[in-house]
Amino acid sequence: GENVEQHPSTLSVQEGDSAVIKCTYSDSASNYFPWYKQELGKGPQLIIDIRSNVGEKKDQRIAVTLNKTAKHFSLHITETQPEDSAVYFCAASITQGGGADGLTFGKGTHLIIQP
Amino acid sequence: DSGVTQTPKHLITATGQRVTLRCSPRSGDLSVYWYQQSLDQGLQFLIQYYNGEERAKGNILERFSAQQFPDLHSELNLSSLELGDSALYFCASSVSSAGPYEQYFGPGTRLTVT
Repeated sequence: GENVEQHPSTLSVQEGDSAVIKCTYSDSASNYFPWYKQELGKGPQLIIDIRSNVGEKKDQRIAVTLNKTAKHFSLHITETQPEDSAVYFCAASITQGGGADGLTFGKGTHLIIQP
Repeated sequence: DSGVTQTPKHLITATGQRVTLRCSPRSGDLSVYWYQQSLDQGLQFLIQYYNGEERAKGNILERFSAQQFPDLHSELNLSSLELGDSALYFCASSVSSAGPYEQYFGPGTRLTVT
């Protein structure tokens, strides 16, 4: 089955700086890659996603890049703010025309924004 | 607020018992996914239902089962509970029938088995 590795496990950055979280996946058939933010005591919140026919997607201060050849994808957060502090999860999934499957998640990155 | 509701928020029970967790998807979403989150295993996909039918299975134990009802709410049944079943259980819903796209998670049920 699919395996997703996520690095780093903890990332501390100064407020206003950029943060980058990286993930690799094992199954070249994976074609959907979402990112989730989880705050303490809450469920994961979808913040951005990308499909394998796209190399980059941006939404305000966050962006995701995908390198299918290398089987890795990254989350970029610019101009970090205190409210960005949370645990971030990457995930991957294989979709097979009309079928569906669950998401395989990385182990998470605890992002700490230092004031 | 994702629009997905889960009850109860907390559940404490003893080993060997059976519990039922409930999930109501966002209005209009036909797919419901169940996930387990624990410190050692992380977030793991358990099972998916689409419009009442089972669509995909992940790492779901035989002691666990789920169903989705005509009103689209879903229940996850956990039986013969063991200490290792203590975890957060999330459901997520999606409007997509073509893949696991744009899943929105509920607030979760924290299960403690003593």
